[in-house]
Amino acid sequence: AQSVAQPEDQVNVAEGNPLTVKCTYSVSGNPYLFWYVQYPNRGLQFLLKYITGDNLVKGSYGFEAEFNKSQTSFHLKKPSALVSDSALYFCAVRPWGGSQGNLIFGKGTKLSVKP
Amino acid sequence: EAQVTQNPRYLITVTGKKLTVTCSQNMNHEYMSWYRQDPGLGLRQIYYSMNVEVTDKGDVPEGYKVSRKEKRNFPLILESPSPNQTSLYFCASSFRGDRYPLNTEAFFGQGTRLTVV
Repeated sequence: AQSVAQPEDQVNVAEGNPLTVKCTYSVSGNPYLFWYVQYPNRGLQFLLKYITGDNLVKGSYGFEAEFNKSQTSFHLKKPSALVSDSALYFCAVRPWGGSQGNLIFGKGTKLSVKP
Repeated sequence: EAQVTQNPRYLITVTGKKLTVTCSQNMNHEYMSWYRQDPGLGLRQIYYSMNVEVTDKGDVPEGYKVSRKEKRNFPLILESPSPNQTSLYFCASSFRGDRYPLNTEAFFGQGTRLTVV
């Protein structure tokens, strides 16, 4: 079955420190991978995506993600965390087969950045 | 401003009373879908539509209906709501493009928090 795993329910980081939110996937074919962020009482906002090409993808608000095919991972990173980055982060994949537009989501990781 | 608009944002209803959650997008996107978000489960797709008059079931379609009579609108209908449909619902739209599967990002509405008592 095609799936996305976010192994950490919560990640705590001090402001100014680097952050990593982990994501691994299991899909058939070449994956299209996405990261979304959800602030309280808001919808999901697109951060970045990997389609093809360079394994390091840069996105909004200083975030980046590295695609690693051998480890089937797509970890989200930021060199210096801000308190305003505190939110719920979702990794998602567009799988082959079935509903071609369907996004398979991970369960989400709550990021908490302390001053 | 490009956006996906859902209404209402909050709704409390009783078991069995039919309701409709509206969704409208102003980006001329072909692809639209509905998701529900439940704690510990992430988001799961309910129904989707590739274009006008073309709809199909997602992963959790039971108890829901949809229609796509116009490109911009994609309402979600609960004919006889039950307490297990209490959830946070999101509508999303994407430009279809020419790739399979879609390689375009989805735009999400603000969400509708539904409580069925």
